[in-house]
Amino acid sequence: AQSVTQPDIHITVSEGASLELRCNYSYGATPYLFWYVQSPGQGLQLLLKYFSGDTLVQGIKGFEAEFKRSQSSFNLRKPSVHWSDAAEYFCAVAAPGAGSYQLTFGKGTKLSVIP
Amino acid sequence: NAGVMQNPRHLVRRRGQEARLRCSPMKGHSHVYWYRQLPEEGLKFMVYLQKENIIDESGMPKERFSAEFPKEGPSILRIQQVVRGDSAAYFCASSQGPSGNNEKLFFGSGTQLSVL
Repeated sequence: AQSVTQPDIHITVSEGASLELRCNYSYGATPYLFWYVQSPGQGLQLLLKYFSGDTLVQGIKGFEAEFKRSQSSFNLRKPSVHWSDAAEYFCAVAAPGAGSYQLTFGKGTKLSVIP
Repeated sequence: NAGVMQNPRHLVRRRGQEARLRCSPMKGHSHVYWYRQLPEEGLKFMVYLQKENIIDESGMPKERFSAEFPKEGPSILRIQQVVRGDSAAYFCASSQGPSGNNEKLFFGSGTQLSVL
């Protein structure tokens, strides 16, 4: 079975600073990989996903993530954080194919942004 | 186009009572998924339904939990005789087609169930 580890429970950055949120996964092959964001009172919104191909994936809101097979990682990055990025971020994996609706999520990383 | 709607946002029940959680998928979506987030845990898959059919319930506890998605109306997640361990956030997601075909999942904002 697959699993996801987000090592950082809470991260605080200054507005305008760069951001990297870590995600490590455990799976026997290359899984489908996702990053979701949840703002207070809102549903989870998909930021980006990796299925195959180019290992650097561009998402919405200026986010990107890089799949590194050798490190079993899928870290999320943003070059310059905005105050509106304060939210909780979830990394998720799924087995490729028909069962890919069975997402396995990490515990999340809460991002706070200092003005 | 409204997103995935879940209600209620917060539900408080005493031990032994029944909890009914509702999920209205996005317009045009006929596939619904329920996830549960226990305290200090990530979301975990519970059940996948298509209109009037349960496709995959491998993540559902064997007892007290049931789900339906009738031809008309919202999907319902029902928990009978709730216990304190059922306290969690329950999220619903929907997709237009089967998620395995690269269909995007859209999530609701969840129902927080508290069992006293």
